[in-house]
Amino acid sequence: KNEVEQSPQNLTAQEGEFITINCSYSVGISALHWLQQHPGGGIVSLFMLSSGKKKHGRLIATINIQEKHSSLHITASHPRDSAVYTCAVRSSGGSNYKLTFGKGTLLTVNP
Amino acid sequence: EPEVTQTPSHQVTQMGQEVILRCVPISNHLYFYWYRQILGQKVEFLVSFYNNEISEKSEIFDDQFSVERPDGSNFTLKIRSTKLEDSAMYFCATSRAISGGHNEQFFGPGTRLTVL
Repeated sequence: KNEVEQSPQNLTAQEGEFITINCSYSVGISALHWLQQHPGGGIVSLFMLSSGKKKHGRLIATINIQEKHSSLHITASHPRDSAVYTCAVRSSGGSNYKLTFGKGTLLTVNP
Repeated sequence: EPEVTQTPSHQVTQMGQEVILRCVPISNHLYFYWYRQILGQKVEFLVSFYNNEISEKSEIFDDQFSVERPDGSNFTLKIRSTKLEDSAMYFCATSRAISGGHNEQFFGPGTRLTVL
């Protein structure tokens, strides 16, 4: 069973700060997703990673397969970045279908 | 940009009633999924569906649940006799493939199910 742990659970930042959210998982994976969810809203896929690093605008995601760890960074944070950020993994053995989700990190960026 | 759509956005029902949640996948996607999120909890996998068959299901997906793609476009989740604990946000997701470069899952906006 793949356990997905995120830290921190809650994060409050001032506008402009650099944000890091961490995700670790317990078994081998074929892919890791970073997802964004606004309160009461839908799930938006930010990144899908299987190795290395990806960048999109102010968002950067990295993954270290050997250490079973991924980070999501937000540079120059803005109040509109306030949301729940969740990592979800697809295990490499057995199931090719389902994603296993972490509990999410609630980010609040104050102006 | 193509997107997954879901209807209704909010469904209120009485305990014991049947509900059908609908999803329209992105047009060239072949793999379909249902997830649910109980308020305050993490998102949980329910079922995946490919080629008109269930490919995987979780322990949550018991005999009260069923999925089908009745008309080649809609992908539906049916709950036969709803319980209070079925109250949750239900998300549909679709992907073009399950491996290689097209296995990213794209999520719909969700249906909030409230069972009274």
